[in-house]
Amino acid sequence: DQQVKQNSPSLSVQEGRISILNCDYTNSMFDYFLWYKKYPAEGPTFLISISSIKDKNEDGRFTVFLNKSAKHLSLHIVPSQPGDSAVYFCAASGETSGSRLTFGEGTQLTVNP
Amino acid sequence: KAGVTQTPRYLIKTRGQQVTLSCSPISGHRSVSWYQQTPGQGLQFLFEYFSETQRNKGNFPGRFSGRQFSNSRSEMNVSTLELGDSALYLCASSYGMGDNSPLHFGNGTRLTVT
Repeated sequence: DQQVKQNSPSLSVQEGRISILNCDYTNSMFDYFLWYKKYPAEGPTFLISISSIKDKNEDGRFTVFLNKSAKHLSLHIVPSQPGDSAVYFCAASGETSGSRLTFGEGTQLTVNP
Repeated sequence: KAGVTQTPRYLIKTRGQQVTLSCSPISGHRSVSWYQQTPGQGLQFLFEYFSETQRNKGNFPGRFSGRQFSNSRSEMNVSTLELGDSALYLCASSYGMGDNSPLHFGNGTRLTVT
């Protein structure tokens, strides 16, 4: 049972444009959501997070939006840069899960110069 | 501040053998978690340790075990290795447990079972 899903395995955008990565979840007990970026041969790097009491969180070029009623979150990267090319993972946790994260399958973002 | 350190980076073992992987968390972090990453299954939670006690366990067989030491360093062990255990094993640390402090990952140990 995949509780966190990223339906797009890959996304390609032009440098300077917006990248939008999507994530859906099914477990209504999830109350904290995170995005990680992963380059080959490295571990995932934390990007940005959002609590379920908010619907938007911004950090520089990265903004995460949360729609609780739709159980959907998205990561916006504006403007996209070639260095943003990586695999992006959406993750979620709940109040009773400790630090345990449930990850999506990842989306490969390619930003073309 | 040094990041999460995992050793070794690469490991090749034969079916039936056992293996021990090591993780040193970020200084001051007391929670250590382990994840397995495979192409087909993505990132799967193995277990979490806090104050030398296993606090959470994922859906893996008993061949997978771990421990945490008083200095927060952690090891995980896989016994009777199977071909399907070939994966990237990631360790992550955070300051507390369940306090929404983000996990910080190491670069992983790439285990190949032949």
